[in-house]
Amino acid sequence: DIQMTQSPASLSASLEEIVTITCKASQDIDDYLSWYQQKPGKSPQLLIYDATSLADGVPSRFSGSRFGTQYSLKINRPQVDDSGIYYCLQNYITPWTFGGGTKLELK
Amino acid sequence: QVQMKETGPGLVQTRQTLSVTCTVSGFSLSSHGVHWVRQAPGKGLEWMGVIWDNGSTNYNSALKSRLSISRDISKSQVFLIMNSLQTDDTAVYYCAVNYGGYWYLDFWGPGTMVTVSS
Repeated sequence: DIQMTQSPASLSASLEEIVTITCKASQDIDDYLSWYQQKPGKSPQLLIYDATSLADGVPSRFSGSRFGTQYSLKINRPQVDDSGIYYCLQNYITPWTFGGGTKLELK
Repeated sequence: QVQMKETGPGLVQTRQTLSVTCTVSGFSLSSHGVHWVRQAPGKGLEWMGVIWDNGSTNYNSALKSRLSISRDISKSQVFLIMNSLQTDDTAVYYCAVNYGGYWYLDFWGPGTMVTVSS
């Protein structure tokens, strides 16, 4: 199975920063990577698919990128509403596997 | 519009069998795959398995020996059956669809909480 190592596990950021969350795949996943945001008590919501494509209705401050087998989610000047837990998911091959999650707190 | 809703038993005894139903609307199960994802309290997301548009299935390696996913296209329902439950199967169970494309989950149900107790 493909392992997705997500970091950091948690971070606290200001509204002026660029927030970066990374997921490293244990092998090549050819950009079959999606990102999700989950708020307490709610279902996850799709943010990014195919590593870099923004899902419908997602603000342009979110972006995705790749360097080798490392994938990143960036939030440019996050808003308070962006607090939550973020997960990556490799969709390259079954079984699909999630990263461990990153809890984002905004101050 | 696309909607999904999970229905489960709430409480199940250890060593019993879990049955959760996902009822969908706004699309046909013969055209889109439906996945199951679970989340134990305070933990991360775990992909459990999928029934694809063509009816084939794939499962999480750790769960495949006791997990089965099936569907009834006419009723727009997908079924998750998992046997030999243990307390660490306590979780919120979500169904989700790859509606816009094969390689992501763009619509999710609200989830159903299942508690496994002895």
